Amino acid sequence: SQQGEEDPQALSIQEGENATMNCSYKTSINNLQWYRQNSGRGLVHLILIRSNEREKHSGRLRVTLDTSKKSSSLLITASRAADTASYFCATDPPRGGGNKLTFGTGTQLKVEL
Amino acid sequence: GAVVSQHPSRVICKSGTSVKIECRSLDFQATTMFWYRQFPKQSLMLMATSNEGSKATYEQGVEKDKFLINHASLTLSTLTVTSAHPEDSSFYICSASPISGGQPYNEQFFGPGTRLTVL
Repeated sequence: SQQGEEDPQALSIQEGENATMNCSYKTSINNLQWYRQNSGRGLVHLILIRSNEREKHSGRLRVTLDTSKKSSSLLITASRAADTASYFCATDPPRGGGNKLTFGTGTQLKVEL
Repeated sequence: GAVVSQHPSRVICKSGTSVKIECRSLDFQATTMFWYRQFPKQSLMLMATSNEGSKATYEQGVEKDKFLINHASLTLSTLTVTSAHPEDSSFYICSASPISGGQPYNEQFFGPGTRLTVL
């Protein structure tokens, strides 16, 4: 399987704390994206980082990418109860390889009041 | 923003029946749509790539005769689960990729998903 791995599988924190999720993938990529999924719902796109970028910020989100280690991390700062969801990374192949996304196994985040 | 809808949102059917799921891009045209399946507490697994005006491309291990895909227009793709069985019960999600307009990448927009339960 080409599916990426994410860790931890589950994470439980208190509101206000930071949450860090990691993603590792297996093949060369063009972009890496992070998505959020609330229980039983569709996916919400959070942020995209290109293969030639190392770090990107969007609001309370910070994403890093290390292509030499084939890994990425998503940091959510000052977490809120509304951040409770599953988070997935997804990669697409280098240009010319099509537009198929390969999703990681996901991290279930629970933010408690 | 780009919106993708799916219909129905949930369906319960008897074993042996066929179920059709629609995926529509509401405010953009999509030459390519993707169908994913997601089992409880698991990740999304790509089933097939739906191409407007041509045959779908199925991922390894996905039976094309069981999961029929039709991409009849630039805004609609359908997935038909034929002769459904309880093991087909899952959450089916589609995504649509807008026609490239010089963008460096083709972003995918996801539908809200369809919960299929086969009794």
